[in-house]
Amino acid sequence: GQNIDQPTEMTATEGAIVQINCTYQTSGFNGLFWYQQHAGEAPTFLSYNVLDGLEEKGRFSSFLSRSKGYSYLLLKELQMKDSASYLCAVREGGATNKLIFGTGTLLAVQP
Amino acid sequence: DAGVTQSPTHLIKTRGQQVTLRCSPKSGHDTVSWYQQALGQGPQFIFQYYEEEERQRGNFPDRFSGHQFPNYSSELNVNALLLGDSALYLCASSLTMNRVGLLNTGELFFGEGSRLTVL
Repeated sequence: GQNIDQPTEMTATEGAIVQINCTYQTSGFNGLFWYQQHAGEAPTFLSYNVLDGLEEKGRFSSFLSRSKGYSYLLLKELQMKDSASYLCAVREGGATNKLIFGTGTLLAVQP
Repeated sequence: DAGVTQSPTHLIKTRGQQVTLRCSPKSGHDTVSWYQQALGQGPQFIFQYYEEEERQRGNFPDRFSGHQFPNYSSELNVNALLLGDSALYLCASSLTMNRVGLLNTGELFFGEGSRLTVL
């Protein structure tokens, strides 16, 4: 079966660091994506991991462990505008680049 | 360079009616996928089109159908609308996996979506 789990909600303070975890069980694996989605808007691409390890892009980093079926998104120096839903998605592989999404983690950044 | 565009942005229908949603992919992209996103949920894969053919389909009934045109644009049709079809319908464009490499992750670029309300 296919299952992607991430916390439903998280709260953090402006300027702090927050880690959003994602665990997955899928029939195949060909990459893991993180997307950010503000309320009423389209998801926007944040990061991509296909090999184990850490990928860093400015204030955002993403980690992958394929053997554990685990990823996390790390957000540093939180800003109010980071309040959004963060979606973890797995590409199963094969000829298509179909993504399977988790339900998303709604992050609230407080002053 | 235009991104993914969708129309209409909002629409209201009644049960039993039919709806057509439209999508133009990002310039240079050849693959279009459609997702349904209910409130508070992640996007659910409906189907994907490449070279004007449905390449893969998610767990959606036959009431959901689609089409891709030679210019790569796409339509999503939903017949016999149910209240449960109320959702945000997202179109995502990408390059086919055959063209994915070290410099191209094959990530999906999403449009702003079409918000469908069924009464």
